[in-house]
Amino acid sequence: DQQVKQNSPSLSVQEGRISILNCDYTNSMFDYFLWYKKYPAEGPTFLISISSIKDKNEDGRFTVFLNKSAKHLSLHIVPSQPGDSAVYFCAGLYNQGGKLIFGQGTELSVKP
Amino acid sequence: DVKVTQSSRYLVKRTGEKVFLECVQDMDHENMFWYRQDPGLGLRLIYFSYDVKMKEKGDIPEGYSVSREKKERFSLILESASTNQTSMYLCASSSLGGWTGANVLTFGAGSRLTVL
Repeated sequence: DQQVKQNSPSLSVQEGRISILNCDYTNSMFDYFLWYKKYPAEGPTFLISISSIKDKNEDGRFTVFLNKSAKHLSLHIVPSQPGDSAVYFCAGLYNQGGKLIFGQGTELSVKP
Repeated sequence: DVKVTQSSRYLVKRTGEKVFLECVQDMDHENMFWYRQDPGLGLRLIYFSYDVKMKEKGDIPEGYSVSREKKERFSLILESASTNQTSMYLCASSSLGGWTGANVLTFGAGSRLTVL
């Protein structure tokens, strides 16, 4: 049972444009949602999070939107830069114990 | 700079061999985790531990075991490696307690295991 789903395995965007990465979840018990970024041959690194009681969180070029009724969240990157090219993982967090459930990942390619 | 160190970046083993993947963190974190990453499947939790000598099964524990004899070290063991265990293995740690925004998972660089 895939509790967190990223249905787009890849996304290609032109430099300077907006990148929108999507994530759906089935479990209403998640307390937080997090986005991680992963470069090849490196471990994932934390990017941004949002509480389940919020609908938006912004950090510089990165904004995460949460639609609880639709059980959907999205990560917006504006403007996109070539250095943003990486695999992005969405994850749901159970606050008790800090257990993260990850999606399948979306590979973002930002072309100059 | 905080670190999670995985001792082997690349390993090649034969079917049936016993494999040890070692992970050490220097952040005095209580929680440690082992994930595997496969294309199209994302990161899947194998085992985790909240304290020394404690372990909990994740979503895909079959074929694996773990050991946590010291707080800073969490080992993943493949008793008899099989080809379907060829994967990227990622260790992570976090501090105990509820989400503060600071106690995110910190990952190691990963261990790429190939079982022939």
